[in-house]
Amino acid sequence: QVQLVESGGGVVQPGRSLRLSCAASGFTFSSYAMHWVRQAPGKGLEWVAVIWYDGSYKYYADSVKGRFTISRDNSKNTLYMEMNSLRAEDTAVYFCARAPSYTGPFDYWGQGNVVTVSS
Amino acid sequence: QSVLTQPPSASGTPGQRVTISCSGSSSNVGSSTVNWYQQLPGTAPKLLIFSYDQRPSGVPDRFSGSKSGTSASLAISGLQSDDEADYYCAAWDGRLNGYVFGSGTKVTVL
Repeated sequence: QVQLVESGGGVVQPGRSLRLSCAASGFTFSSYAMHWVRQAPGKGLEWVAVIWYDGSYKYYADSVKGRFTISRDNSKNTLYMEMNSLRAEDTAVYFCARAPSYTGPFDYWGQGNVVTVSS
Repeated sequence: QSVLTQPPSASGTPGQRVTISCSGSSSNVGSSTVNWYQQLPGTAPKLLIFSYDQRPSGVPDRFSGSKSGTSASLAISGLQSDDEADYYCAAWDGRLNGYVFGSGTKVTVL
């Protein structure tokens, strides 16, 4: 069965960096676009970034552009999000999600990984 | 401020029909397929409706979607207590080159 398992979250100080991972199994990872979506405490869903199935294209939300980098390793079936210059407003649960296309839909989601940016 | 506008809440009694609206623009709802997600408390979102009115396997036909111009709607018929959740519409925005979500609608079963 399709599984997406995030890891790498935690508590980090403002201005520091963190890398999230999303391990995929149960499907041909290299055939799907992958997205990151986040949800701040008590708030709605916010799309963060997408990467093409082969890593050739990437798009980012304006709120993270220039600070976050999405990447993937198809040989390891793993998606990554490198987060730099973290701010308090980046505090959220981060979900990875699979999509047949960069335009969605997100048919499978990970369980979510908490990132807290606080001094 | 979400790009797609949804009412913050909707409610109904068991068995009733509830409709949730999603208003967008020509760069998102008007030109891209609309998807709906259900998020039960404390869990990851789940795909409920895709391509306006298609249901993934396992989603009951009590859930239906539609679109007209730059607006879309989700209808839940035969409302059940298990339907208490947050519902989000979403679509790709060709002007922003990003995926946009609605602000979310909390459905309460009275």
